[in-house]
Amino acid sequence: AQSVTQLGSHVSVSEGALVLLRCNYSSSVPPYLFWYVQYPNQGLQLLLKYTTGATLVKGINGFEAEFKKSETSFHLTKPSAHMSDAAEYFCAVSDSFSGGGADGLTFGKGTHLIIQP
Amino acid sequence: EAGVAQSPRYKIIEKRQSVAFWCNPISGHATLYWYQQILGQGPKLLIQFQNNGVVDDSQLPKDRFSAERLKGVDSTLKIQPAKLEDSAVYLCASSSRGGYGYTFGSGTRLTVV
Repeated sequence: AQSVTQLGSHVSVSEGALVLLRCNYSSSVPPYLFWYVQYPNQGLQLLLKYTTGATLVKGINGFEAEFKKSETSFHLTKPSAHMSDAAEYFCAVSDSFSGGGADGLTFGKGTHLIIQP
Repeated sequence: EAGVAQSPRYKIIEKRQSVAFWCNPISGHATLYWYQQILGQGPKLLIQFQNNGVVDDSQLPKDRFSAERLKGVDSTLKIQPAKLEDSAVYLCASSSRGGYGYTFGSGTRLTVV
């Protein structure tokens, strides 16, 4: 069974500082990995995804993540935090991709990112 | 392209009542998912459809939850009877054949009192 662990339910950074949100996964097969952002009372928006190929993945809004198989990690980073980045962030994994479409995602519990002015 | 549409946005019911949620996926997306997101937790997959067939419903509480996807397009999720612990946001998502991305709707927030 696959699982996702997000370290830190709340992360607080100053505006302009580095953002680092941690995600570790377990999967019996090469995983597909995702980061989603959720703003209050809204659905989930895809930030970035890793499927195959380059392990450093760039996403929207200046975010990027690196797939490290040896560490079973997929941490999310952004060099300089902006006030608008304050939201809930979810890491998710899918360990299969059946021919008809992607399989369901297993999500972590989320990390609430707080930006201090 | 239009996004995943869900309705209603909010619903308040009393325990033991029934409720239904509706989802219209992105046109052409063969795969549709329903997730339950309890406050403070990540979404949990309830059921996955491929066209109008069920691929995975292992986490669906079948004694009270049911879902269908007529003609492989729209889908409805029903709860009957509702319990207090069903209070959550119900998210619908869809994905296309060969697509690694899922598109989520805005969700339906259910409060059971």
